[in-house]
Amino acid sequence: AQSVTQLGSHVSVSEGALVLLRCNYSSSVPPYLFWYVQYPNQGLQLLLKYTTGATLVKGINGFEAEFKKSETSFHLTKPSAHMSDAAEYFCAVSRTGGGADGLTFGKGTHLIIQP
Amino acid sequence: AAGVIQSPRHLIKEKRETATLKCYPIPRHDTVYWYQQGPGQDPQFLISFYEKMQSDKGSIPDRFSAQQFSDYHSELNMSSLELGDSALYFCASSLGEGTYEQYFGPGTRLTVT
Repeated sequence: AQSVTQLGSHVSVSEGALVLLRCNYSSSVPPYLFWYVQYPNQGLQLLLKYTTGATLVKGINGFEAEFKKSETSFHLTKPSAHMSDAAEYFCAVSRTGGGADGLTFGKGTHLIIQP
Repeated sequence: AAGVIQSPRHLIKEKRETATLKCYPIPRHDTVYWYQQGPGQDPQFLISFYEKMQSDKGSIPDRFSAQQFSDYHSELNMSSLELGDSALYFCASSLGEGTYEQYFGPGTRLTVT
C-alpha cells in the first residue's frame, strides 16, 4: 500500500524566508503525489501534483515541489514566505495509482509564519 | 468558478441515529470521493464513485453506505451513529478517471452527542 510521511508536525519560518516542508513516500507502483493546503475550518485546496514527466512541478501561490525517486521524496518549497501561507499542509499519494483512486494523506504539517 | 457543494454544512445527531450527507460535484465532473477527517487528524478516504459505479473503497465502516446518482451527485448514509463518527466529512470531485485532480468541498461537520 502507498503511504507518505511528513517530517515535522510544525514548521516555523520568518516572513520572507524559505519554506521547506518535507514529504517522503512509499509506493510499490510509480506514485502520483500531491500537496494540499487547508485553512482553518475549510476544505483542502490542491497546490500541485506530480503524475509523470517533469520532476519539478510548479503550483499555485509560488509553491513548487521536486519528485526525487532516488530519495523517495516530494518536498514542498516556496522561496519567500508570506503571512497568508500560514495553514496546514498535507502531502498525499494516490492509493493504487489508477482509476478514481482515493488519496492517502500524511499527518500534515502546520506552517507558522513569524512576522 | 463553481465549486463542490456539500449539504448540510453542520449536523448534530444523537447516538444510534442516522444521517445523510449530500455532495454536488463541480458541473461536468463525473467522479466523487468521500473522506472523513477527525479532529486534528489527516483526512481518511472512505469511498469513491465513477459514473455511478463504486470505484475505490477505503476505510468505510459497514454502518455507512454511499451511492452516486444519475445527475452525479452523491449521498453518504450513516446509520447507528457513534460518538467516534463526529468529524468533518469532505466530498471531492474530479473529471473522469485518472485525472488525479480532486477538488474538495467545504465539508460537513457532523457532531454526534
